[in-house]
Amino acid sequence: DAGVIQSPRHEVTEMGQEVTLRCKPISGHNSLFWYRQTMMRGLELLIYFNNNVPIDDSGMPEDRFSAKMPNASFSTLKIQPSEPRDSAVYFCASSLGTGRLEAFFGQGTRLTVV
Amino acid sequence: KQEVTQIPAALSVPEGENLVLNCSFTDSAIYNLQWFRQDPGKGLTSLLLIQSSQREQTSGRLNASLDKSSGRSTLYIAASQPGDSATYLCAVSNTDKLIFGTGTRLQVFP
Repeated sequence: DAGVIQSPRHEVTEMGQEVTLRCKPISGHNSLFWYRQTMMRGLELLIYFNNNVPIDDSGMPEDRFSAKMPNASFSTLKIQPSEPRDSAVYFCASSLGTGRLEAFFGQGTRLTVV
Repeated sequence: KQEVTQIPAALSVPEGENLVLNCSFTDSAIYNLQWFRQDPGKGLTSLLLIQSSQREQTSGRLNASLDKSSGRSTLYIAASQPGDSATYLCAVSNTDKLIFGTGTRLQVFP
C-alpha cells in the first residue's frame, strides 16, 4: 500500500484565497483525521471522520475551515478565505478504527499564506 | 482534558549512548499510547503502539514501556546512532482521538 497520500505537498497562496487540501487514506481504513502542526501549538486535531461521517469537529478553529469526506477513499480540508495565521503543516492520518488502533500519517501539506 | 507532556524538549548525545525519552499524561483512562518519529520537513512515522493492557513493546533497538496508573511512558533507544536524530512524539488515545505531546528533539552526533 502507498500509505496515506496528501496533495499538494506545498501550497503558497495569497490572503483571502480559497485553499483546498486533499487526502487519500489507506485502503480499508475506516477513520480519517486532519491535524495541523505549528511551532507554537504543536500537533492539533482539527476534525476526524469515522466511516465517512464527521464525528468531532471541535478542533476546527473557525467557520473558515470546513472538511468533507464524500467517500471512503477521499477527504478534503478547505479554508475560505485563507489568512496568514493559517500557515502551518496540515497532516492527514488514517486508521483501521477509531483511537484504539494504530494511526498512519501522510507526508503533510505545507501551507503558506502571504 | 487530557494533557501530554514530553521531557526533555531537546537532547543531544554522542553516538552509542543508551537514552530514555519520557512522556506523561494526565488522564490514565487511555486506549493506547503511540510513539512516533518525525524527521525535519517530513510526516510522522509510527514506531511503537502500546495497548492499555500492555506494559511494553519492543522493535529492534527501541523499547517503549507504559505505566498507565502513573500516567507515564518511556521510550528507550539502545546504542543510539546519528540516523536516530529526529523529533520523537508520543500520543495517547482516550476517546477516538490521538492527543500529542510537544515532542523531544533528539540529536545524535558522531
